[in-house]
Formats: sequence, structure tokens, C-alpha cells
Amino acid sequence: GNSVTQMEGPVTLSEEAFLTINCTYTATGYPSLFWYVQYPGEGLQLLLKATKADDKGSNKGFEATYRKETTSFHLEKGSVQVSDSAVYFCALRSNTGNQFYFGTGTSLTVIP
Amino acid sequence: GAGVSQSPSNKVTEKGKDVELRCDPISGHTALYWYRQSLGQGLEFLIYFQGNSAPDKSGLPSDRFSAERTGGSVSTLTIQRTQQEDSAVYLCASSLGFDNEQFFGPGTRLTVL
Repeated sequence: GNSVTQMEGPVTLSEEAFLTINCTYTATGYPSLFWYVQYPGEGLQLLLKATKADDKGSNKGFEATYRKETTSFHLEKGSVQVSDSAVYFCALRSNTGNQFYFGTGTSLTVIP
Repeated sequence: GAGVSQSPSNKVTEKGKDVELRCDPISGHTALYWYRQSLGQGLEFLIYFQGNSAPDKSGLPSDRFSAERTGGSVSTLTIQRTQQEDSAVYLCASSLGFDNEQFFGPGTRLTVL
């Protein structure tokens, strides 16, 4: 079956620290992979995506590389800001169906 | 332009009652998804509508759950004979098509007493 496992939070970092949020997946076929972000008081929004192995998605300084050999899609940012404080969700969409599968979310708090 | 809207934002109901949750997608978006987010859980897919095609209902947890989409726009998720385990945030998302970015609504927080 399809599933996503992501790093449990909460994560607290100081401003300008390096961020990694781990995400691994199990999927049939060749999934597309996504990171969504939910800022306080707002709805989920797409942060980045990758549709095939070795693709790198990037946006707002965040990056994630689709690693088929390790079934991973870890989210990284070199220098976090207070404004990055949010909940981050890893997700996959199998190419064999319509469903999206989301992880449980990782809460990030960045302190000045 | 306007984003995805959902109503009500909060709903408290008694066990055994029926509830209807509404989603207004972005105009022109042909794809519409419903998800459920229970406390401490990820988003759980419920149902997917694409244009005039038959909906993908594979995620609905029981026959108490149903959804419709009228005129390819507004969608209503109905939960009959609510149970306490139905308490969750129900999210709606729409997109231009299957392969396009989903835009999420703010959700409806359902509490079943």
C-alpha cells in the first residue's frame, strides 16, 4: 500500500539554523512527492513537489530531492527564519490512483 | 481572486445527528477533494471529484459518509448518524485538474458530543 512517514515534532530551532525534516514513503508504482505547509491561521498550501526520481523541488529557500533508492523526500533549508514557523506535511500521490497520502505533519517553531 | 471557502468553520453536534459540510471551490477548478484530519493524524483522503466523471469514493470510511457535487462546483459532505470518532477537521481542496496544485480551504472543525 501507500503511506508516508515523517519526522515527529515539534521542532524548535534558532533563527539561521539548518533545517531537516525527514520523510520516507511506501508506494506502488511511481509516485509524485510533495511538501505542503500550513502557516498559523491559514490553510495548507503547496511548498514544493517532485514528480520523478532524482528531481529536486525547491521554493522559498526550501529543497527536497526525490530519492527512489532510499524512498525518501527530506525537506531542507539552510537558514530558517521566524516566518518559517509552521506545520509541514509530506505527501505522495500514486500514479495508479487519485488519492493523496499525507504524513502526520511536523510542527516547526523558529525562535529569534 | 477568491480561494476555496468552507462552511461552517465550526460545527458542534450531538451523537446520532446528521451534519452537512459545504465546500465552494475556486471557480473553474474541475477537481475537488475532501480530506479528514483527526487529532494527531495526517490528512486522510475521503473522496475525489473530477469534472463529470464518477467520483472516487474509495476513502470514505463508512456508508454514513456521502458527498455530492452539484453542477461541477459546490460540494456537500454529509455525515449521517454522527459518532464521536467523526470529530475532526474536514478539509476541502480544489485544483484545475488531477495533475495540478491543490488549493485548500480553511476547513470545518466538527465536534461530536
